[in-house]
Amino acid sequence: AQKITQTQPGMFVQEKEAVTLDCTYDTSDPSYGLFWYKQPSSGEMIFLIYQGSYDQQNATEGRYSLNFQKARKSANLVISASQLGDSAMYFCAMRAYNNNDMRFGAGTRLTVKP
Amino acid sequence: DAMVIQNPRYQVTQFGKPVTLSCSQTLNHNVMYWYQQKSSQAPKLLFHYYDKDFNNEADTPDNFQSRRPNTSFCFLDIRSPGLGDAAMYLCATSRDFGPGGTDTQYFGPGTRLTVL
Repeated sequence: AQKITQTQPGMFVQEKEAVTLDCTYDTSDPSYGLFWYKQPSSGEMIFLIYQGSYDQQNATEGRYSLNFQKARKSANLVISASQLGDSAMYFCAMRAYNNNDMRFGAGTRLTVKP
Repeated sequence: DAMVIQNPRYQVTQFGKPVTLSCSQTLNHNVMYWYQQKSSQAPKLLFHYYDKDFNNEADTPDNFQSRRPNTSFCFLDIRSPGLGDAAMYLCATSRDFGPGGTDTQYFGPGTRLTVL
């Protein structure tokens, strides 16, 4: 069975600082993908970044980077130089081979303070 | 350049009155998904279509049905909405499942359903 855990219900960060959102996962499948989505108050789920289980390097997309530690089964999202517009709910998700279900964590609400 | 479009954005229905939510995509993706997201919770997959093949999640209530008349459109029908069905309904698409299920899912803006 797949399981995604986000242990931080809420996080605060000062504008222009970096913040790390935690995500751990559990799966017995050797092949899987890890995703981070941002959900502003408007409700749309915005894809941010993807990491494949066989990728050798950590994924980066602009100010977003994924700190992938396979042995520890963690896939933390790092947002550098936080902006006020980064305030939103952030979901970590995983999808494994032979499983059509994208499993989401409970989410972390990030608030960026001016 | 909207890619996944959901209509309406807000829907109000009465208890027991059938309602249909609409999703369309311009990505020509093979797979379309419907998720239910209740307040302060993670999205929960209801079902998906791979092309015309329908796949229902085991715990999706019978009250929820879906139709995909063509590649671009997918509908969510709630036959007799209850108060517990009030939620955000998210449509998503992916090109395929990808090796190891890795194809990214792209979401629409969602339809927020209120049941009176």
